[in-house]
Amino acid sequence: GAGVSQTPSNKVTEKGKYVELRCDPISGHTALYWYRQSLGQGPEFLIYFQGTGAADDSGLPNDRFFAVRPEGSVSTLKIQRTERGDSAVYLCASSLATDPSLGEQFFGPGTRLTVL
Amino acid sequence: KQEVTQIPAALSVPEGENLVLNCSFTDSAIYNLQWFRQDPGKGLTSLLLIQSSQREQTSGRLNASLDKSSGRSTLYIAASQPGDSATYLCAVSGYNKLIFGAGTRLAVHP
Repeated sequence: GAGVSQTPSNKVTEKGKYVELRCDPISGHTALYWYRQSLGQGPEFLIYFQGTGAADDSGLPNDRFFAVRPEGSVSTLKIQRTERGDSAVYLCASSLATDPSLGEQFFGPGTRLTVL
Repeated sequence: KQEVTQIPAALSVPEGENLVLNCSFTDSAIYNLQWFRQDPGKGLTSLLLIQSSQREQTSGRLNASLDKSSGRSTLYIAASQPGDSATYLCAVSGYNKLIFGAGTRLAVHP
C-alpha cells in the first residue's frame, strides 16, 4: 500500500491488560511518530523515531507506555496495565524528512483503543 | 509552551458559501504549519503545508495563509460543498513534533 497502515483498527480490552498497536509507515520514510487523540481534541505527541532509535519520547505519559522500531520500519506501541484513561485513538505518522521540523507528516487511519 | 487555538469550534453553512477557518499559535518560532482534514472515525488527511518562509499555499478550492509574526493562519475554502463536511485541524511544527489545535467541525448542508 501507498499510505501508512495501522492494525488493529479497533481494540477493546479490559483494565489491567497488555496491548500492542502496530504501525506500518510509508516505504522509505525514516521518521515515524505516534500521537494520541482523545474525543473532541487534537492529536497529542507521544514519541518520535528516526530510524531504529527513539529520538524523542517526551510525550509518553508514564512508564506503562513503550514503543519500538527494531528494523527502522514497522513500529509497535506497547501499553502495559491498561487503564480506562488510556482509551483514545492512537495515530501513527511517517515522514521522509530527516529534520522533523521541516517534513510533511502523513497519518494512518488510527487504532481506536477502548479499555473497559 | 506552544498552544494552538482554532476558532470557531464548529461551523454550519449552506452549500456554496466561502469560508474562513482560523488558527492561532502562541510561539511564532515555528518551522511550518499544516492543515489537515479528519472525517469521523478516520485518520488525518494532509491538505496544505506552509513552510515558515512562505506566506500562503493553494490547492484547488483551498488557500491557506500564514502570518508568523502575529501567530495566525487562515484556511479559506471557496464555494463550499457538502463533501467538505469534516473536522479541520491545524498543526504547527515544534521540536520533533506537531502541535495541534482542537479543530473546527464544519458542516455544509445542501
